[in-house]
Amino acid sequence: DAKTTQPPSMDCAEGRAANLPCNHSTISGNEYVYWYRQIHSQGPQYIIHGLKNNETNEMASLIITEDRKSSTLILPHATLRDTAVYYCIAFIVNDYKLSFGAGTTVTVRA
Amino acid sequence: ETGVTQTPRHLVMGMTNKKSLKCEQHLGHNAMYWYKQSAKKPLELMFVYNFKEQTENNSVPSRFSPECPNSSHLFLHLHTLQPEDSALYLCASSQDGGSGTGELFFGEGSRLTVL
Repeated sequence: DAKTTQPPSMDCAEGRAANLPCNHSTISGNEYVYWYRQIHSQGPQYIIHGLKNNETNEMASLIITEDRKSSTLILPHATLRDTAVYYCIAFIVNDYKLSFGAGTTVTVRA
Repeated sequence: ETGVTQTPRHLVMGMTNKKSLKCEQHLGHNAMYWYKQSAKKPLELMFVYNFKEQTENNSVPSRFSPECPNSSHLFLHLHTLQPEDSALYLCASSQDGGSGTGELFFGEGSRLTVL
């Protein structure tokens, strides 16, 4: 799987959009970009995934650059409950090895 | 409630004990996973079962023994563990249909302490 690079931490203000960057410059054509988050002492939670096109669901939006070398997860209106570690993962469908890195620790401040 | 239930939530055991962690999923999924999360380390994939067959063993020591009697249940049997095995053990499941998907549903984890 392609290695992803995320900033170790970031702060954002409650009620504002949180933009979480991820670099995956070696991503291959059959690798999807998946995002998960892990709130303290809980299991990880799936957020969203995409291949080429931008995606949106009730939790977040995923913007993937045209060359697919980077992506941004957008939490449109961050709340205190969005404080968590966010993981960006490049994953080959048909491969069971979903590998987590260190992620970005996001702290939402009032 | 995530649909994946792990028991016990907390376990303390000595190095000579034998214990088991249990995972049950109520989502009708076909694949189940064990992950280990040690303090300040990323999650590590341990085992994968697809349709009750083990498809992945990520070089896990034999003191960890998985068992998958059916698609809804997954066990991790623990025997003669070491203090460095203390960690959060997470179970997950996915709807597979024979091909891997990256959308996993995780349980809350079992916090293991080895004395």
